[in-house]
Amino acid sequence: GAVVSQHPSWVICKSGTSVKIECRSLDFQATTMFWYRQFPKQSLMLMATSNEGSKATYEQGVEKDKFLINHASLTLSTLTVTSAHPEDSSFYICSARTPGGGGNTIYFGEGSWLTVV
Amino acid sequence: GENVEQHPSTLSVQEGDSAVIKCTYSDSASNYFPWYKQELGKRPQLIIDIRSNVGEKKDQRIAVTLNKTAKHFSLHITETQPEDSAVYFCAASLYVGNQFYFGTGTSLTVIP
Repeated sequence: GAVVSQHPSWVICKSGTSVKIECRSLDFQATTMFWYRQFPKQSLMLMATSNEGSKATYEQGVEKDKFLINHASLTLSTLTVTSAHPEDSSFYICSARTPGGGGNTIYFGEGSWLTVV
Repeated sequence: GENVEQHPSTLSVQEGDSAVIKCTYSDSASNYFPWYKQELGKRPQLIIDIRSNVGEKKDQRIAVTLNKTAKHFSLHITETQPEDSAVYFCAASLYVGNQFYFGTGTSLTVIP
């Protein structure tokens, strides 16, 4: 099946700094990707829909200026957590949609653990 | 937006018994309902899905039923095995390939 890769898998950053997480579709072009956040023992919460070449669509309650999403190419979307704080520590996971024409499929990345100290 | 509720939050069954997890959704426009299995710290894995034009779907020991009128759907696992132990999430979406709204998750433990 298709492969979606995230980098880094683990990251520790100091409070107040910014950290970037990458989501790549390795063997298909993804015009649309999705970013989720998952706190320990909780569900995956949709943060935003990332569209190639246009602005991301954020879910209600998600600060777009804090969680910057850039989808500059058909295979890469990035999530930047700006001015990170300990409460931003979470598991961030992306998914990508395969091109249409017969049925889209969603593939998830491996996820990225962010710890803010 | 869509709101998906999932029950129970934890479930323990004896090996060989059946497990049932139930979900309800709020948006009648939702037409695609996948179920995911997630192990700690790993990506969710799709185990079965169902579209709104189908009432039931089965894949070996796993089945999903959908009642679109009542806006609820259920996951059924028969002949459970210890390796079925994981957290299971239901989700609802407008269509295949759209964003998912996940349920709260069910931690399933299969006791050998």
